[in-house]
Amino acid sequence: DVKVTQSSRYLVKRTGEKVFLECVQDMDHENMFWYRQDPGLGLRLIYFSYDVKMKEKGDIPEGYSVSREKKERFSLILESASTNQTSMYLCASSLLGTPGTEAFFGQGTRLTVV
Amino acid sequence: DQQVKQNSPSLSVQEGRISILNCDYTNSMFDYFLWYKKYPAEGPTFLISISSIKDKNEDGRFTVFLNKSAKHLSLHIVPSQPGDSAVYFCAASALQGGSEKLVFGKGTKLTVNP
Repeated sequence: DVKVTQSSRYLVKRTGEKVFLECVQDMDHENMFWYRQDPGLGLRLIYFSYDVKMKEKGDIPEGYSVSREKKERFSLILESASTNQTSMYLCASSLLGTPGTEAFFGQGTRLTVV
Repeated sequence: DQQVKQNSPSLSVQEGRISILNCDYTNSMFDYFLWYKKYPAEGPTFLISISSIKDKNEDGRFTVFLNKSAKHLSLHIVPSQPGDSAVYFCAASALQGGSEKLVFGKGTKLTVNP
C-alpha cells in the first residue's frame, strides 16, 4: 500500500518560530511537492523537487524553504512563522517522467500560527 | 496569475443525473491534465487524466474532455452518486527545470443529492 506520511496532523506554533514540516514517501518517487490549501484559493504550489538536493520554486515560495537530503524525505521549513502562514499543508509525490500519472498525497498538516 | 481556473466554486446535482465540472487554463505548455477528488480532512486522490494530444479519456463513470483550442477541459460524471460529493480539483502538468510542475485550480465543491 503506497504511502505519503506527514509527521503531524495538527501543529500550533508561535509567531517568529522556526517550523519544520516533514514528509516521507515509501514509493521511491523522484518528484515531491509541497502545497498549501486555503478556503477559496485551492491548492497552491510552494516548492517541488525532482531529486536529492534539487528544488524548484512553485507559485508562492516566499517565507518558505525546503530540504531534500534523502530521496524519500522532503521537508518544508518556515524560517519565521507568521499568522498568514496558518493553513493546511499537503505533501505529494510522483514518479519522474510520467506526468499523466497520479501524484499521491499525504493526509495534510493543519498548521496554526498564533 | 492563476494558470488553472475553476470558475464554479460549487455545483449541486440530483443522484443519477450528470455532473459536469469545468476547468480553463492559460499555459500552452501544459502537457497533461488531471482531476483529483478531495474529501474533508483527507489528501486529494487521483481520478483521471488526459494527455494534451487527446480530446477524450474515459474511465467507468468518469470522462474527461479536452478542447485544446479553447484551453478548456471538463469532467463528466454519469450517473452521479451521493458518494461523489467532494471537492474536485483540476490540475495541469508542465516541465519546469528538471521536474514536472503540477498546478491546481481552486476546486469545485460537488454535492450530489439523493
